[in-house]
Amino acid sequence: GENVEQHPSTLSVQEGDSAVIKCTYSDSASNYFPWYKQELGKRPQLIIDIRSNVGEKKDQRIAVTLNKTAKHFSLHITETQPEDSAVYFCAAKRRGSQGNLIFGKGTKLSVKP
Amino acid sequence: DTGVSQDPRHKITKRGQNVTFRCDPISEHNRLYWYRQTLGQGPEFLTYFQNEAQLEKSRLLSDRFSAERPKGSFSTLEIQRTEQGDSAMYLCASSFDTIGDNSPLHFGNGTRLTVT
Repeated sequence: GENVEQHPSTLSVQEGDSAVIKCTYSDSASNYFPWYKQELGKRPQLIIDIRSNVGEKKDQRIAVTLNKTAKHFSLHITETQPEDSAVYFCAAKRRGSQGNLIFGKGTKLSVKP
Repeated sequence: DTGVSQDPRHKITKRGQNVTFRCDPISEHNRLYWYRQTLGQGPEFLTYFQNEAQLEKSRLLSDRFSAERPKGSFSTLEIQRTEQGDSAMYLCASSFDTIGDNSPLHFGNGTRLTVT
């Protein structure tokens, strides 16, 4: 089955710097890759997603890149702000497996003012 | 807030007792999912419904766990004979999916279960 590895587990950056979180997946049939942000005690919230027919997607300060050949995808946050501090999860889902979104173990991002 | 709602937010129970959680998805969503999240881990898939039909179950879902979505709207997750290892956050999510497309999952705030 699918396995998603996420690195690093913790990341500390200064406000205004960029943050990059990387994930690898094992199942070449996976074709949907969302990223979720979870603040302490709150629900995971979708921040951006990418499908396997594109290589990059941007939304303001957030971007995701996908390398299907290498089976890895990355989240890039530019001009980080203290409110970006949270745990970020990547996930992958196979074509045809409508429910089985497999999550990474998360990255705790701390943005220092 | 018209998002996914879950009840209760917290549940403390003694080992061996049965518990039931409820999830109300976003009203127009046809798919409903249950996930479990333990501290320091990502959510783990348990099961999902397409309308009232339960279409997929994880091997994590032992026979002590049962989920229903009788009218294709709200869902319940019951855990019988709870064990301390069942302590976790139980997350519900919903989505509106068409055939062959992957749509984002919208999560509820979860039910935190503590088994003593």
